[in-house]
Amino acid sequence: QVKLLQSGAALVKPGASVKMSCKASGYTFTDYWVSWVKQSHGKSLEWIGEIYPNSGATNFNEKFKGKATLTVDKSTSTAYMELSRLTSEDSAIYYCTRSGAPYYFDYWGQGVMVTVSS
Amino acid sequence: DIQMTQSPASLSASLGETVTIECRASEDIYNGLAWYQQKPGKSPQLLIYNANSLHTGVPSRFSGSGSGTQYSLKINSLQSEDVASYFCQQYYDYPFTFGSGTKLEIK
Repeated sequence: QVKLLQSGAALVKPGASVKMSCKASGYTFTDYWVSWVKQSHGKSLEWIGEIYPNSGATNFNEKFKGKATLTVDKSTSTAYMELSRLTSEDSAIYYCTRSGAPYYFDYWGQGVMVTVSS
Repeated sequence: DIQMTQSPASLSASLGETVTIECRASEDIYNGLAWYQQKPGKSPQLLIYNANSLHTGVPSRFSGSGSGTQYSLKINSLQSEDVASYFCQQYYDYPFTFGSGTKLEIK
């Protein structure tokens, strides 16, 4: 069955960076896009961007350009997202998701809680 | 960006009732709409895609409808396990955008 297993919670200082992972299993990793979605505490969802593992092609929400970097390791079927220059506004839960075409998100990881605090 | 306006923000209904959640897009999204259910402390889960197609394993009491800019999610025969937040999402155009969510409680 399809699974997306994300890395653990992170506590990071303001101004630092954090890199999280999303290991896919149960399907052909290179056949689907991986998107990342932000959920701030008690609020709605924001799409950050997506990466196509087969080619490394990416698309981003303008709001997150310069903030998020997306990469993949095809050998381990793992997607990564790095967030840079963290502020308190970046404290949130971050989900990785799988999508095909059309681009609805049919499977989600369990989420990574990132807390930015000194 | 396409704005998704979701209503109501919260909803309280009795077991066995039928409830409807609405989502309005700021422009035509040509049925590029999905609905997700998020239970407390859990990840969102896909319910409906392409506005009216039921995702694998989702109970048939959930249904989606609509076209153009107006879409709705209907839950028939409300069950206790339906307590959750529900979100719509358009994937017709970048950036993909979500509604603000509807919190469903049992009366």
